[in-house]
Amino acid sequence: AIQMTQSPSSLSASVGDRVTITCRASQGISIDLGWYQQKPGKAPKLLIYGASNLESGVPSRFSGSRSGTDFTLTISSLQPEDFATYYCLQHYNYPQTFGQGTKVEV
Amino acid sequence: EVQLVESGGGLVKPGGSLRLSCAASGFTFVSYYMTWVRQAPGKGLEWVSSISSSGKYIYYADSVKGRFTISRDSAKNSVFLQMNSLRADDTAVYYCARSLPYDYWGQGTLVTVSS
Repeated sequence: AIQMTQSPSSLSASVGDRVTITCRASQGISIDLGWYQQKPGKAPKLLIYGASNLESGVPSRFSGSRSGTDFTLTISSLQPEDFATYYCLQHYNYPQTFGQGTKVEV
Repeated sequence: EVQLVESGGGLVKPGGSLRLSCAASGFTFVSYYMTWVRQAPGKGLEWVSSISSSGKYIYYADSVKGRFTISRDSAKNSVFLQMNSLRADDTAVYYCARSLPYDYWGQGTLVTVSS
């Protein structure tokens, strides 16, 4: 199975900060990666698909990029509603695998 | 409006069975793969199983293979997860999601496996 190593596991940030979260795939997955935001007690929400495509309705401060097997989610200016846990997911093959999650907190 | 509504969760003893359902509406159900994802209390997301739009292709996580069965009914616009031989580590909130790229999720249903 493809391993997705997500880092950091948590980070402290302030409103207005630029935040970067990384997922590294254990093998090539092309651009078959999505980023999800989850708030406590809620279902995950799609932010980015195809590694760099912004889902409709998601603020433009969120962006995704790829460099080989390294994938990055960037929040350009953290807003109060962005404090949440973020996950990457590879869907290149089965079993599909999530990263371990990154909790963004104050 | 796309909606996914899970049901069927509850408390079950180890070794028991449960059948989860996910009712879909607001989109052409037969055009999409459907997937179950779970989340144990305080833990991360775990992909569990996916079924192709026709039902022909089915995939399972190793952790549930041989115990769980995914199916779908296009007449009812529903996807199901039959869970047998349940164990304590199957305790989780189970979500159904429209794939790919998992743009719509249900609210989740809690499965608790405990004696």
